[in-house]
Amino acid sequence: DAMVIQNPRYQVTQFGKPVTLSCSQTLNHNVMYWYQQKSSQAPKLLFHYYDKDFNNEADTPDNFQSRRPNTSFCFLDIRSPGLGDAAMYLCATSTNSGLEKLFFGSGTQLSVL
Amino acid sequence: RKEVEQDPGPFNVPEGATVAFNCTYSNSASQSFFWYRQDCRKEPKLLMSVYSSGNEDGRFTAQLNRASQYISLLIRDSKLSDSATYLCVVRVSGGYNKLIFGAGTRLAVHP
Repeated sequence: DAMVIQNPRYQVTQFGKPVTLSCSQTLNHNVMYWYQQKSSQAPKLLFHYYDKDFNNEADTPDNFQSRRPNTSFCFLDIRSPGLGDAAMYLCATSTNSGLEKLFFGSGTQLSVL
Repeated sequence: RKEVEQDPGPFNVPEGATVAFNCTYSNSASQSFFWYRQDCRKEPKLLMSVYSSGNEDGRFTAQLNRASQYISLLIRDSKLSDSATYLCVVRVSGGYNKLIFGAGTRLAVHP
């Protein structure tokens, strides 16, 4: 049974058209993350929530926003997607107890036309 | 300099071979270390944690050298199913469980 669910699996949007990616979890983990991964590159942390406490990485563009309305759901909003935003977007969860691993969703592959 | 550096490969090895991957990290305050495996177009999955004394899980052995800020993964008796990208992952200090990923080393095991 999937524990971290991302929808959709593939998303196509147009240049400049806002898009929202969603993530839900059944693990009741208090930490949720969004990573961006481009081809042959490392997953790059965009931001994370510790409960409702939002933590933005210093180099995350303003074009990327996030919402976490409750423990189970987290959204990634890309306000004006550019061609360079085409990537795999990975949602992950964890508890915050030191050596806990990340539980990843299967990712959303975003294409920008 | 990248926080976590890996040789991208690919490492092309025959079945049954032993192969080793290395990883270096720049933040001396890094606290925890992991190897993740990622199949093509799939999400990363935890392969194993890396402990200071070194640890083994079946055919996989991980080593950590804190003085040199170096992590290794050894795979013995390679299987076709081991073909994947292996990501070195480091947890940095600062309160939250923030993990920094390397770009990965690609392994291709052939018959």
